[in-house]
Amino acid sequence: DFVMTQSPDSLAVSLGERATINCKSSQSVFWSSNNKNYLAWYQQKPGQPPKLLISWASTRESGVPDRFSGSGSGTDFTLTITSLQAEDVAVYYCQRYYNFPPLTFGGGTKVEIK
Amino acid sequence: QVQLVQSGGGVVQPGGSLRLSCAASGFTFSNYGMHWVRQAPGKGLEWVAVISYDGSNTYYADSVKGRFTISRDNSKSTLYLQMNSLRDDDTAVYYCAKGGPMTVMYHFDYWGQGTLVTVSS
Repeated sequence: DFVMTQSPDSLAVSLGERATINCKSSQSVFWSSNNKNYLAWYQQKPGQPPKLLISWASTRESGVPDRFSGSGSGTDFTLTITSLQAEDVAVYYCQRYYNFPPLTFGGGTKVEIK
Repeated sequence: QVQLVQSGGGVVQPGGSLRLSCAASGFTFSNYGMHWVRQAPGKGLEWVAVISYDGSNTYYADSVKGRFTISRDNSKSTLYLQMNSLRDDDTAVYYCAKGGPMTVMYHFDYWGQGTLVTVSS
């Protein structure tokens, strides 16, 4: 099966500082036919469904603040929040959607304010 | 605007059955793959099943294969999850999610509000 490993499990960042979350796939999610990485990032706040932030590894969804950015290719990816705001406190998940089943989520990273 | 409104769920005994529904609006339902995802209390997200836009293809997580059935009624813009032989470890919030146009290899851009399924005697 495909495994998505997120790190760290949790992190505490001061307001206005940078938060970096890593996601590693056990197999590449890059499809050379269309030059796309099949990797998404979601944000989930308590009591709410997940919200799509980033698709295709680096495409920010409409309405998502530009302090959120995604990068990486193949098997290694990063979600960066450049200037953490109080409303960014949440759990963040990466997801691979290439060559499944099964479709796989990372274990999640909890972001808190220091 | 896109809306996914879930119904069903509740408390069921081990070995019992339950059917979840997800009514879609705001997009051409028959053009999109649809998924079910679950989240056990305090745990992460687990993909459960997907159905292609026309219902011709379905795929399941190993943990539910043979017990759960995903289906859709495009005339009613509604997605279903029939859950049989329920076990304690099926206890979770279940979400429906909208996938991609004419493909199952796509991210989830909209999610339902979630519905709690509790398996307990």
